[in-house]
Amino acid sequence: QVQLVESGGDVVQPGRSLRLSCAASGFTFSSTAMHWVREAPGKGLEWMAVISHDGKTIYYGDSVKGRFTASRDNPRNTLFLQMNSLRVEDTGVYYCVRSSVRTGTTEFWGQGTLVTVSS
Amino acid sequence: IVMTQSPDSLAVSLGERATINCKSSQSVLYRSNNKNYLAWYQQKPGQPPKLLIYWASTREFGVPDRFGGSGSGTDFTLTISSLQAEDVALYYCQQYFTTPFTFGQGTKLEIK
Repeated sequence: QVQLVESGGDVVQPGRSLRLSCAASGFTFSSTAMHWVREAPGKGLEWMAVISHDGKTIYYGDSVKGRFTASRDNPRNTLFLQMNSLRVEDTGVYYCVRSSVRTGTTEFWGQGTLVTVSS
Repeated sequence: IVMTQSPDSLAVSLGERATINCKSSQSVLYRSNNKNYLAWYQQKPGQPPKLLIYWASTREFGVPDRFGGSGSGTDFTLTISSLQAEDVALYYCQQYFTTPFTFGQGTKLEIK
């Protein structure tokens, strides 16, 4: 069955960096686009980024453009999110999400990993 | 594209109809294929969101038929025809017409 397991969440100070990982299994990862979505406390869902199946095309949300970088390692079935210059408002649960082949949007969600940015 | 849901919270009696609205700041209808790029998600406490409906009205596999989506262009509705206890959750609409894909602020559905 499809599994997405995020890791790397931690408590970090503002201005620092963090790298999240997402281990995928149960589907052909190398053929599937992937998304990152976050859920800030009390603020609902915010779409972060989508990366194409081959990693060559990436789109970002406005609030993370220039600070966050999505990437993937297809032989290792792993998705990454490099987060630099972290801000307090980046605090939240970060979800790795499989893209739907029918629509291109978010379809199957991992359980998420918690990132807390605090001094 | 800004997505606005109404109401922010809703309390409905078991077995009654629940209706959640979603409005987009610009049309999400792609005229070349006549499809509305609009999805609905359900999020229960402590769980990740679950896709319910895509193309505004197509139920995802396994979603009960009491869940229905309707609307076109900029105005959309999620209807639960007969509320069950397990439907208590947060509900989000999302447009995927253009990046950045954006979500509504969410509607909290409770039992009256």
